[in-house]
Amino acid sequence: QKEVEQNSGPLSVPEGAIASLNCTYSDRGSQSFFWYRQYSGKSPELIMSIYSNGDKEDGRFTAQLNKASQYVSLLIRDSQPSDSATYLCAVNIGGGTSYGKLTFGQGTILTVHP
Amino acid sequence: DGGITQSPKYLFRKEGQNVTLSCEQNLNHDAMYWYRQDPGQGLRLIYYSQIVNDFQKGDIAEGYSVSREKKESFPLTVTSAQKNPTAFYLCASSAGLAGNSEQFFGPGTRLTVL
Repeated sequence: QKEVEQNSGPLSVPEGAIASLNCTYSDRGSQSFFWYRQYSGKSPELIMSIYSNGDKEDGRFTAQLNKASQYVSLLIRDSQPSDSATYLCAVNIGGGTSYGKLTFGQGTILTVHP
Repeated sequence: DGGITQSPKYLFRKEGQNVTLSCEQNLNHDAMYWYRQDPGQGLRLIYYSQIVNDFQKGDIAEGYSVSREKKESFPLTVTSAQKNPTAFYLCASSAGLAGNSEQFFGPGTRLTVL
């Protein structure tokens, strides 16, 4: 089992729809979770960070964390063609908030078509 | 402008050569990281440093070396011992430890072995 696993893509949604990206992780003790967006040929940019169970909203983006089930998801409402990118889930595997590194999933490619 | 700079943007290396990739940040961040990304893959951690004059191996440190003589600089040397160095190299920094601090990425360096 991979330490951080994302739902296999690619994911294709129509413009205006909700895109749902999922990520599961292996370490029950993980405390910190991050979503990054990466456009083709570019470096990742941070979209959301979440540390507590529940939902965290920022504009059209909502991160959802369920530590008991060991998954974190990212919802994108009113999806736009400019949201088309690879989305990377990152988890602080191997320790609590004092541990120094993140483990990344393999990424999910999202395409939003007009 | 505050941010992370990496140079060069593109780098070509001949077999048997060592090359050094530059990473500089003016965010006053304590921690810095080097990742490697291969096509269609997530990010894999090479080395990280939480304070000046200290660094730790990541998951794929073999064939790489780093130094952290200044807070703002964390250069990566790809040695001839790295058997498959062609990849996209990303430098990141965070204010504190990855467990409780967001990481931000530089624009990356694409290394190609000729």
